[in-house]
Amino acid sequence: AQRVTQPEKLLSVFKGAPVELKCNYSYSGSPELFWYVQYSRQRLQLLLRHISRESIKGFTADLNKGETSFHLKKPFAQEEDSAMYYCALFPVEYGNKLVFGAGTILRVKS
Amino acid sequence: EPEVTQTPSHQVTQMGQEVILRCVPISNHLYFYWYRQILGQKVEFLVSFYNNEISEKSEIFDDQFSVERPDGSNFTLKIRSTKLEDSAMYFCASQETDGTGELFFGEGSRLTVL
Repeated sequence: AQRVTQPEKLLSVFKGAPVELKCNYSYSGSPELFWYVQYSRQRLQLLLRHISRESIKGFTADLNKGETSFHLKKPFAQEEDSAMYYCALFPVEYGNKLVFGAGTILRVKS
Repeated sequence: EPEVTQTPSHQVTQMGQEVILRCVPISNHLYFYWYRQILGQKVEFLVSFYNNEISEKSEIFDDQFSVERPDGSNFTLKIRSTKLEDSAMYFCASQETDGTGELFFGEGSRLTVL
């Protein structure tokens, strides 16, 4: 079965501090992993995906197959980063749907 | 920029009533999805739809649920006889291609069953 675990419901940091949002997955195939973000009163939107290896809004995420992790990082948090962040897995070999983690609320305090 | 639109944004209904949630996916997209999120819980997959038929559905998507693409633009989710536990935010999403193509989400329809 495919499963995505985000252990923290809430992460609160000060502006300028580093951020790491944890994501672990369980999947027997080759995973396609994503981070989606939902700002207050807005729709879910793609933040980044592991296959593109790009940095969006200063965020990066590296797929670590040994640790089955895809943690989201940013060296210096900004207040506008406050949002709900969802890690998601696309089980390419076993269907056509995104499987979401429970989400982590990031609060950046001034 | 094209967006997925959903109506209504909020619907309140009595238990046992039928509800239809509507979605207009992005026009050149081929794959369509419904997800739901019960308050305080994770976003859960309900159903995916491609080429005018269901391609995958979850255990949640029982006989009370159905989806349709009646006119080539709308994509609807019908709940035949709502239950209290159907109260949730329902998200529609569309995708241009399968596999790792990005899913574009609507803003959601909040369903409250009394």
